[in-house]
Amino acid sequence: DIQMTQSPPSLSASVGDRVTITCRASQDIKNYVSWSQHKPGKAPKVLIYDASNLHPGVPSRFSGSGSGTDFTFTITNLQPEDFATYYCQQYNSLPTFGGGTKVEIK
Amino acid sequence: QVQLVESGGGVVQPGRSLRLSCVASGFIFSNYAMHWVRQAPGKGLEWVAVQSYDGSKKFYADSVKGRFTVSRDNSKDTLYLQLNSLRPEDTAMYYCARALVIIAPIDLWGQGSLVTVSS
Repeated sequence: DIQMTQSPPSLSASVGDRVTITCRASQDIKNYVSWSQHKPGKAPKVLIYDASNLHPGVPSRFSGSGSGTDFTFTITNLQPEDFATYYCQQYNSLPTFGGGTKVEIK
Repeated sequence: QVQLVESGGGVVQPGRSLRLSCVASGFIFSNYAMHWVRQAPGKGLEWVAVQSYDGSKKFYADSVKGRFTVSRDNSKDTLYLQLNSLRPEDTAMYYCARALVIIAPIDLWGQGSLVTVSS
């Protein structure tokens, strides 16, 4: 199985901040990474696919980059509705997920 | 409206069974592979199972192989997960999720159905 190591597990930030989350894969997964946003009681939302492509309807303050084993997810100009938990997912093979990053209000 | 709605969760004793359902709407269900993913309380996401668009292929996580069965009825736009021989460690929110093919990004999630295994 491909392991996805996501960091940090949590972070505190303020509205307007830039936030960066990383995921490292245990082997080369090309660009087969997506990022999703999870809030309690709501259906998770997909934000990024193929490492850097924005899912339709997702605001441009969300972005992703990387290839091979190292991937980055960034939120610029953090908004109140962005406080949530974010997960990376690889789909080079059957899916595995990173451990999640909880973005909290500072 | 494009959505997935899970149901069938509840409290069940260890060793018993439960069947989850996931009803799709707003898209052509039979065109998509469908996954089950779970999240135990306070834990991260764990992929559980996937079935191809036509039902011909199924794959399972080692942790549920031989106990859980994924199936679908394309005439009813519905995905199922049969959970047998349940264990306390199966307690989790169970999500169904859509992907274009088995190895592809998940692009739509349901809200989840909570399964609690406890005596």
